[in-house]
Amino acid sequence: KQEVTQIPAALSVPEGENLVLNCSFTDSAIYNLQWFRQDPGKGLTSLLLIQSSQREQTSGRLNASLDKSSGRSTLYIAASQPGDSATYLCAVRGETSGSRLTFGEGTQLTVNP
Amino acid sequence: DTGVSQDPRHKITKRGQNVTFRCDPISEHNRLYWYRQTLGQGPEFLTYFQNEAQLEKSRLLSDRFSAERPKGSFSTLEIQRTEQGDSAMYLCASSSQTGTYNEQFFGPGTRLTVL
Repeated sequence: KQEVTQIPAALSVPEGENLVLNCSFTDSAIYNLQWFRQDPGKGLTSLLLIQSSQREQTSGRLNASLDKSSGRSTLYIAASQPGDSATYLCAVRGETSGSRLTFGEGTQLTVNP
Repeated sequence: DTGVSQDPRHKITKRGQNVTFRCDPISEHNRLYWYRQTLGQGPEFLTYFQNEAQLEKSRLLSDRFSAERPKGSFSTLEIQRTEQGDSAMYLCASSSQTGTYNEQFFGPGTRLTVL
């Protein structure tokens, strides 16, 4: 059974700092990995999707990397802003789990002005 | 707005009552998913439709839960005889079978509170 873990569970940083969020998964047989953002009481916003054959994806100040063989992904946020404050979730789609996504518990990020 | 929509956004009900939620996917998406999220946790998969066919169901989907997608467009999720443990955010997502790597797009969710 696929298990996804995110570290740290919570992170508080001053504005302008670069930061890294970590995601690990137990079964490396995945099709892809998605990073999402969730604001309090809201739905999920897709940030980046990395295919299993890819090493990284970039969107603006966000960069996500994937090391499939070691079961790890990182989300790098450059020059953090207070508007980045949210919960960040990673989710994997396994090769043997159909189309379902398996999520981690998220990292709650607070960027202080 | 052409994103995934869900209705209602909030539902408060008494234990034992039935509730029904609706999800309208992005119009060209043929795949639709339901997830449940409790406070402080990541979403958990409930069920998945491709067109009108329900292809996957989680063990979390007890006999009190039923989902339909009769015409391959919108979907409904019904919970019968609600229990306090059903209180959660119910999230719907959609994707295109021919789209970018089956990327899933989520709606705003329906927050259920069972008193």
